[in-house]
Amino acid sequence: GAGVSQTPSNKVTEKGKYVELRCDPISGHTALYWYRQSLGQGPEFLIYFQGTGAADDSGLPNDRFFAVRPEGSVSTLKIQRTERGDSAVYLCASSLTGPRNTGELFFGEGSRLTVL
Amino acid sequence: GQSLEQPSEVTAVEGAIVQINCTYQTSGFYGLSWYQQHDGGAPTFLSYNALDGLEETGRFSSFLSRSDSYGYLLLQELQMKDSASYFCAVYNFNKFYFGSGTKLNVKP
Repeated sequence: GAGVSQTPSNKVTEKGKYVELRCDPISGHTALYWYRQSLGQGPEFLIYFQGTGAADDSGLPNDRFFAVRPEGSVSTLKIQRTERGDSAVYLCASSLTGPRNTGELFFGEGSRLTVL
Repeated sequence: GQSLEQPSEVTAVEGAIVQINCTYQTSGFYGLSWYQQHDGGAPTFLSYNALDGLEETGRFSSFLSRSDSYGYLLLQELQMKDSASYFCAVYNFNKFYFGSGTKLNVKP
């Protein structure tokens, strides 16, 4: 596709359940980011991939959160034992190599997660 | 740590000029970006400053002073469609840190 695609767009789950959120970046983009955005706040960094490897996972809040990008394209964010505080919009963004020179990330529309 | 400050809300009339300021504190700095986000939509890139000075892109301009840890976004000839949230974001050590955003209300 032309842009960053995220699925599902909406996910409602119960406390304690396991959730997977998928991101399909722009073709050829090697840099991929996951951010989390709560209502009225700016995006909060979670993890950065360069190719297949997680170059920086310092933003993952705890060990319930995990992300993979096995073939250097699609990425999956996995959340175990969900808590109500995990409710937020999870944004994925990609960049051709890395945004240091251009400052530009291409964001998807996000996956809205609601934990009941 | 990182911190960015920007006004929470700004109101202006159609056709006017508005400036949104951003001050930051960060350990390590490569550049400052600006993003626009309409309600329920994805953040979209507007502008990036890696060096001091003014960058102009159509109706939008962005300014950076690295010595003052300060930047601003200038929007000219405001249109109703400019009503949105605007985020400044510092890029350092592989990632962007975003401010809490400024909600711009454009009135007719």
